[in-house]
Amino acid sequence: KAGVTQTPRYLIKTRGQQVTLSCSPISGHRSVSWYQQTPGQGLQFLFEYFSETQRNKGNFPGRFSGRQFSNSRSEMNVSTLELGDSALYLCASSLDGAQTEAFFGQGTRLTVV
Amino acid sequence: GENVEQHPSTLSVQEGDSAVIKCTYSDSASNYFPWYKQELGKRPQLIIDIRSNVGEKKDQRIAVTLNKTAKHFSLHITETQPEDSAVYFCAALSSGGYQKVTFGTGTKLQVIP
Repeated sequence: KAGVTQTPRYLIKTRGQQVTLSCSPISGHRSVSWYQQTPGQGLQFLFEYFSETQRNKGNFPGRFSGRQFSNSRSEMNVSTLELGDSALYLCASSLDGAQTEAFFGQGTRLTVV
Repeated sequence: GENVEQHPSTLSVQEGDSAVIKCTYSDSASNYFPWYKQELGKRPQLIIDIRSNVGEKKDQRIAVTLNKTAKHFSLHITETQPEDSAVYFCAALSSGGYQKVTFGTGTKLQVIP
């Protein structure tokens, strides 16, 4: 079956702009989590969605938001981009988010200039 | 919240030798501990996981041990091969059960042929 798909793969934005990233989970998976990966900070948890509801949130400013649709696809939005937002954004899907294997997408590489 | 420390940050071993990566966690209620392998330019992939009701788990050349009392867990790779070269992340699932996974900072393993 198809894996986790993230679009776009690469993105270049200017400071102050906003960006939307998309994640399509594995069919049947209802939990989608988002992570920011940077060389200095490793993998940082952003938030997790299940059945269109945000269940958990990491320690990121309100400029980072997300949503999940009825088909479990999820989007992540970052407003008022800052240079420090440059990172690889990964999403991961799992059946129910509770101690089940999470499968990662290839990520979206965001560069803010 | 949960805090996961991972050591060492880099590890070089000769092909055929063993490699050990250690992690400690802070939340005594964490009960799920996955390990991910991330090859250069690729997505993290689960290689093994352990739940808190188990002390050790093996899968061919890979094993994970968990000491709940000391709140640490370790990844052991035996008979290392060049294709084991990658960054390895440990993680802990916070209490509450849902996928608010806290990752360690990663260990870059280099297997020298």
